[in-house]
Amino acid sequence: KQEVTQIPAALSVPEGENLVLNCSFTDSAIYNLQWFRQDPGKGLTSLLLIQSSQREQTSGRLNASLDKSSGRSTLYIAASQPGDSATYLCAGKASSGNTPLVFGKGTRLSVIA
Amino acid sequence: GAVVSQHPSRVICKSGTSVKIECRSLDFQATTMFWYRQFPKKSLMLMATSNEGSKATYEQGVEKDKFLINHASLTLSTLTVTSAHPEDSSFYICSARGGRTDTEAFFGQGTRLTVV
Repeated sequence: KQEVTQIPAALSVPEGENLVLNCSFTDSAIYNLQWFRQDPGKGLTSLLLIQSSQREQTSGRLNASLDKSSGRSTLYIAASQPGDSATYLCAGKASSGNTPLVFGKGTRLSVIA
Repeated sequence: GAVVSQHPSRVICKSGTSVKIECRSLDFQATTMFWYRQFPKKSLMLMATSNEGSKATYEQGVEKDKFLINHASLTLSTLTVTSAHPEDSSFYICSARGGRTDTEAFFGQGTRLTVV
């Protein structure tokens, strides 16, 4: 059964710093991996989706990588801003069937102005 | 991206009453919807998977008679919490996916349920 772990649980950085959030998964046969942002008391906003055949995806200041062999994904945020403060969740889809996402517990990011 | 609308965003109800939460896909047909529950500072836990026109598949430990899920159309799924208890207080989020299984999963805004 797929398990997803995110480290660190919380991170505080000064504005302008580049940072990396880590996600690891136990089953390397992952079908795709998705990164989300969640603001307090809100739903999830999809940031990036990486299919198993891809190694990375980029959107603006965000770059997500996927290394199936090592069971890891990273979310890189460049030039962080206070508005980036939120909880970031990664989630893996186990197979090509209509399977749900398995979530990590998230990393709570605070960007200090 | 596609839009999933969840309603209500917040609800407070008395113990013993039932509460219905709606999840709508606004601009695509959602063949599958997922319902998650999130405890404070915890990850999202899958409760059930529903496919349009068929019975929902519940995860182990989730009471199907307590959490009634209906997916009557390709754009609407509902979760009804029956005979609510204070321990049912939580954040409930729905997710919808279209026909292709490799597409993104889109999420509703979530519903904060408080049972008093």
